[in-house]
Amino acid sequence: DQQVKQNSPSLSVQEGRISILNCDYTNSMFDYFLWYKKYPAEGPTFLISISSIKDKNEDGRFTVFLNKSAKHLSLHIVPSQPGDSAVYFCAARSGGKLIFGQGTELSVKP
Amino acid sequence: NAGVTQTPKFQVLKTGQSMTLQCAQDMNHEYMSWYRQDPGMGLRLIHYSVGAGITDQGEVPNGYNVSRSTTEDFPLRLLSAAPSQTSVYFCASSKEQATNEKLFFGSGTQLSVL
Repeated sequence: DQQVKQNSPSLSVQEGRISILNCDYTNSMFDYFLWYKKYPAEGPTFLISISSIKDKNEDGRFTVFLNKSAKHLSLHIVPSQPGDSAVYFCAARSGGKLIFGQGTELSVKP
Repeated sequence: NAGVTQTPKFQVLKTGQSMTLQCAQDMNHEYMSWYRQDPGMGLRLIHYSVGAGITDQGEVPNGYNVSRSTTEDFPLRLLSAAPSQTSVYFCASSKEQATNEKLFFGSGTQLSVL
């Protein structure tokens, strides 16, 4: 049973526009959420995170929004750049475990 | 500046063979973990360790063993490889188990079991 779900396997966006990646979770015990970015043949790298006591965290072009009542978080990238093309994973932490979603492949077209 | 180092990068096994995937970190991190990445499944946690001598199971532990005799090393053992274990394996570490600690990943081991 997938506790963290990313229902969109892929997303294509024009350069300069906004990219919105979505993630849903089922476990109300999750207390911290993270987004990772992965390029081919490399390990995932940390992008941005948010605590469950907040509803928004911003870092440059990246903003993560958390809606606890809906058990939903999203990552906004504004403006999108071709170098942002990668697979994005959301992850949720509960105790010693960090559980990942399936990933969304973002393609930013010039 | 090594971070998390995984060896080998690629491996082909026959069904029933055993092998150990190596993982080492030089950041003095207490927390280490193993994930596998499969198409459509994302990253799934196999085993993790919160410190030397302590290990615990993740989401998909069957068919894998781990041990943590030192802070630096966290090997993953496949005792009898099966085709279902064909995957890309990632080792990751963080300073501690604390909620707000982010994981640092190795570059992965691509394993094929024939």
